[in-house]
Amino acid sequence: EVQLVESGGGLVKPGGSLRLSCAASGFTFSSYSMNWVRQAPGKGLEWVSSISSSSSYIYYADSVKGRFTISRDNAKNSLYLQMNSLRAEDTAVYYCARDLGPYDSSGYLDYWGQGTLVTVSS
Amino acid sequence: DIQMTQSPSSVSASVGDRVTITCRASQGISSWLAWYQQKPGKAPKLLIYAASSLQSGVPSRFSGSGSGTDFTLTISSLQPEDFATYYCQQANSFPPYTFGQGTKLEIK
Repeated sequence: EVQLVESGGGLVKPGGSLRLSCAASGFTFSSYSMNWVRQAPGKGLEWVSSISSSSSYIYYADSVKGRFTISRDNAKNSLYLQMNSLRAEDTAVYYCARDLGPYDSSGYLDYWGQGTLVTVSS
Repeated sequence: DIQMTQSPSSVSASVGDRVTITCRASQGISSWLAWYQQKPGKAPKLLIYAASSLQSGVPSRFSGSGSGTDFTLTISSLQPEDFATYYCQQANSFPPYTFGQGTKLEIK
């Protein structure tokens, strides 16, 4: 069974940093592109970042470019999102999501974690 | 960036009704479109990809159609568990992947 479990969310002050993790199981993690998608309270979905299976290709939304860094450790079946210079508008539930894949990125997200809440407030 | 616009923003319907939700892209995206269902407090669930392909395990009452700029999600006979918010998402022009604003399907 495919499972994605996020962790690392919490309350942080504006300008602070946080590192999110996503532990994957039940599939060959190293064969799939992975994504972070966020959802502000009561709002819609916003794609944040993507990383290809071998980390060769990395993309970010303009809203987080230069502040967030996506990475993965295929040996540990884990995906990460390092978030720096956090702003109030970054407050959201952050989901990790697997690309339908495998190998070639399709852009369709077939498995999602339960999400982890990041709150940026003083 | 490609903008995705869904209509209506909310719809009320009864169990057994046929419901159609529309998604329009600001420019052509061929068939690079997905539909997701999200229930309160839960992660989104992929229903349809490539505009009309049913994701494994999704009931056949869900169907998708369209290409280019105009797409529809149809639920042929609403079931109680279908009341949720639905999102479309384009995967043609990346980055970024963009989502519609959502359509809330409520019980009449």
